[in-house]
Amino acid sequence: EVQLVESGGGLVQPGGSLRLSCAASGFTFSDRWMTWVRQAPGKGLEWVANIKGDGSKKNYVDSVKGRFTISRDNTKNSLYLQMNSLRAEDTAVYYCAREFWGPECWGQGTMLTVSS
Amino acid sequence: QSALTQPPSASGSPGQSVTISCAGASSDVGAYNYVSWYQQYPGKAPKLMIYEVTKRPSGVPDRFSGSKSGNTASLTVSGLQAEDEADYYCSSYAGSNGYVFGTGTQVTVL
Repeated sequence: EVQLVESGGGLVQPGGSLRLSCAASGFTFSDRWMTWVRQAPGKGLEWVANIKGDGSKKNYVDSVKGRFTISRDNTKNSLYLQMNSLRAEDTAVYYCAREFWGPECWGQGTMLTVSS
Repeated sequence: QSALTQPPSASGSPGQSVTISCAGASSDVGAYNYVSWYQQYPGKAPKLMIYEVTKRPSGVPDRFSGSKSGNTASLTVSGLQAEDEADYYCSSYAGSNGYVFGTGTQVTVL
């Protein structure tokens, strides 16, 4: 059974940094693109970033380019999202998902609140 | 990277059908057959209902079907049931821009 468990969310001040993690199990992690999707409170889904199985290719939504970095450690079956220069508009539930030409299997999400 | 356009709401009585549209552009929906649809209940993670425009993952009822014409994709839910009341989102592959989601549609079963 595919399992994705996010962690690392919390309350951060504007301008601060945080790293989200996603622990994967139940499939060959290194074979699959992985993605981060976020959902602001009461709002819709927004794709944030994705990364190829071997980590060689990464893509980002324009609003996070230069501030967020997606990475993975295939030896630990883990996906990460390093978030710097955080803004109030980054407040959201962050989901990691396995990809198959689109987010396929989703974790339960972790909440990030950016506020002073 | 503009969001795909969906109607904010849709509704139908039990047993009826409801169709949700997802309007994109020639750079996303129109360019690729990689449109997915997700069902989301309040406070829960989205669930994949349709992928590659028309395919259903194992376990998804065949009451759910997808289609695409030009830059617009659609999700049809036939034989509406109370449990179908949820938010629905489309998404499309957008090449080097990654993926783009729709604005979301709240489906109400009357």
